[in-house]
Amino acid sequence: DAGVTQTPRHEVAEKGQTIILKCEPVSGHNDLFWYRQTKIQGLELLSYFRSKSLMEDGGAFKDRFKAEMLNSSFSTLKIQPTEPKDSAVYLCASRLGGRTQYFGPGTRLLVL
Amino acid sequence: QQKVQQSPESLIVPEGGMASLNCTSSDRNVDYFWWYRQHSGKSPKMLMSIFSNGEKEEGRFTVHLNKASLHTSLHIRDSQPSDSALYLCAASRTGNYKYVFGAGTRLKVIA
Repeated sequence: DAGVTQTPRHEVAEKGQTIILKCEPVSGHNDLFWYRQTKIQGLELLSYFRSKSLMEDGGAFKDRFKAEMLNSSFSTLKIQPTEPKDSAVYLCASRLGGRTQYFGPGTRLLVL
Repeated sequence: QQKVQQSPESLIVPEGGMASLNCTSSDRNVDYFWWYRQHSGKSPKMLMSIFSNGEKEEGRFTVHLNKASLHTSLHIRDSQPSDSALYLCAASRTGNYKYVFGAGTRLKVIA
């Protein structure tokens, strides 16, 4: 069984650019999460989808972060415009019901 | 806002020793706890979960839960250098989608 896949694995962007991160959840999972991880803030929830419906769109992250789930097997996270403080690892996770979350390998973003 | 506090922030144990990590939730409605392990440069992977009061053991790993105090602990016996990692605790409520993660305990096992 394929796990959660994320692309790209690394991204370097100039301040002000638009970047799109991609995620494919585990087949059959109906919950999908986007997180941001930094050493200072730890894991922060950005978005949550249940059966393709957006359940949480990030609170403080709303203005420049937009996650979409185009179908049950593909999600994107757009950051527009990027700022240096967005440099972090972006993790996608999926799960079936209320069970264990499985994380993807992450995308390491550096904004110059 | 629900918080999950983990202690200590970092921990060094000798190879073969016992590592004890703690986690407490501020939300009285929490009833599920999860422990994830994250090696450097990798993504978090679920290690153990616990929903009932008491203790659960899997190999060298033991998890305790006290629901009255909303406290869980993870104990690693016969610690190995490969156990060196960031250990994340998460809490959730029945029927609620959200895990709330703590900041983690960074464990280093020295040979």
